[in-house]
Amino acid sequence: DSGVTQTPKHLITATGQRVTLRCSPRSGDLSVYWYQQSLDQGLQFLIQYYNGEERAKGNILERFSAQQFPDLHSELNLSSLELGDSALYFCASSGSQGMVAFFGQGTRLTVV
Amino acid sequence: LAKTTQPISMDSYEGQEVNITCSHNNIATNDYITWYQQFPSQGPRFIIQGYKTKVTNEVASLFIPADRKSSTLSLPRVSLSDTAVYYCLAVDSNYQLIWGAGTKLIIKP
Repeated sequence: DSGVTQTPKHLITATGQRVTLRCSPRSGDLSVYWYQQSLDQGLQFLIQYYNGEERAKGNILERFSAQQFPDLHSELNLSSLELGDSALYFCASSGSQGMVAFFGQGTRLTVV
Repeated sequence: LAKTTQPISMDSYEGQEVNITCSHNNIATNDYITWYQQFPSQGPRFIIQGYKTKVTNEVASLFIPADRKSSTLSLPRVSLSDTAVYYCLAVDSNYQLIWGAGTKLIIKP
């Protein structure tokens, strides 16, 4: 158990819909990262937050947004969903930049 | 532009030592290089992290030459349970995370 909790574990939704994925980082970790992993593909970095502020941005679509709340949990919002958004979405947390990141078990999103 | 490159796949046998090399150019001069292991449908798991020369822990060793243009993950005496995808991770000068595409390691009996 990495200490990073992601909910829900599975999500099935229709095209055009909007979903919210939630991540609770390890206790004390200030950084949260979001990744997308399509079937049999590598990890695509989406976005990083540090203590509530956006720190780095990767290949995140405009339809996607994220935020980190004062209690340090984070949410990834995916809107106008397309079939190609079906993937595993991972959240990771670390104490600070450069420190080891610990990953959650992911949310498997299926868009039908 | 910073980039990390690693082999797509590798095969080996139980009991052998496996070395996976990642090439990384234009990475930050003062940040760590990190390796992760991932099993199907699970989140990546930290294996080892280093800055330069050699680092060893209970599961692996990491060799980083002085020019830091590559790093080699060494897994001693692998077993079937080491079959997984292995990722290298570096940081560029703008503090962007640069992930390798992953090396699928298959261990045979």
